[in-house]
Amino acid sequence: DADVTQTPRNRITKTGKRIMLECSQTKGHDRMYWYRQDPGLGLRLIYYSFDVKDINKGEISDGYSVSRQAQAKFSLSLESAIPNQTALYFCATSDLRSGLSYNEQFFGPGTRLTVL
Amino acid sequence: AQSVTQLGSHVSVSEGALVLLRCNYSSSVPPYLFWYVQYPNQGLQLLLKYTTGATLVKGINGFEAEFKKSETSFHLTKPSAHMSDAAEYFCAVSRYGTASKLTFGTGTRLQVTL
Repeated sequence: DADVTQTPRNRITKTGKRIMLECSQTKGHDRMYWYRQDPGLGLRLIYYSFDVKDINKGEISDGYSVSRQAQAKFSLSLESAIPNQTALYFCATSDLRSGLSYNEQFFGPGTRLTVL
Repeated sequence: AQSVTQLGSHVSVSEGALVLLRCNYSSSVPPYLFWYVQYPNQGLQLLLKYTTGATLVKGINGFEAEFKKSETSFHLTKPSAHMSDAAEYFCAVSRYGTASKLTFGTGTRLQVTL
């Protein structure tokens, strides 16, 4: 079984709809991240969470919100979807409790979201 | 602030030829550097990383990269390309004290032809 799972894998929705993307991990990691990938732009950080009580905005958080329901679950919401939020969304995890000072992240398979 | 520049959004090589994907970084303190690979319809997978120590880093699938501080570069190479190497490759930078955030380059799509 995959260590980092994302649901749904594909979603088509309409402008103005509320959408939630979910991420679960079995790696026991404390840190979780949401990125979006757009062609030619690479991956950009939306939000990140160091633990259940710690949520931080990334570089492109406008129009998005997140919820860390448990150490293993991190959800991304689009309150009112718009077409320029059409993208590939990735969840990632990392674990600094291991004592390593660098940040190796482990990625889920992605959710392809289309907003019409 | 830190940033990554990947030169060439698309690179095409023949099977058996050398693969060279370029990455330059900007960081005010010693960086941690990563190369990730994304195969079609999949998430990102770590190829290799540089944190400290030896500047020539070997990764999976025969790839390696060399950290050159004087050139602020971390280019990815493979002596002989295989068809299965066709994918998108991302260089990323992090550094101690940045709250674990990775900054990614815009990616390079590698095409391998017969």
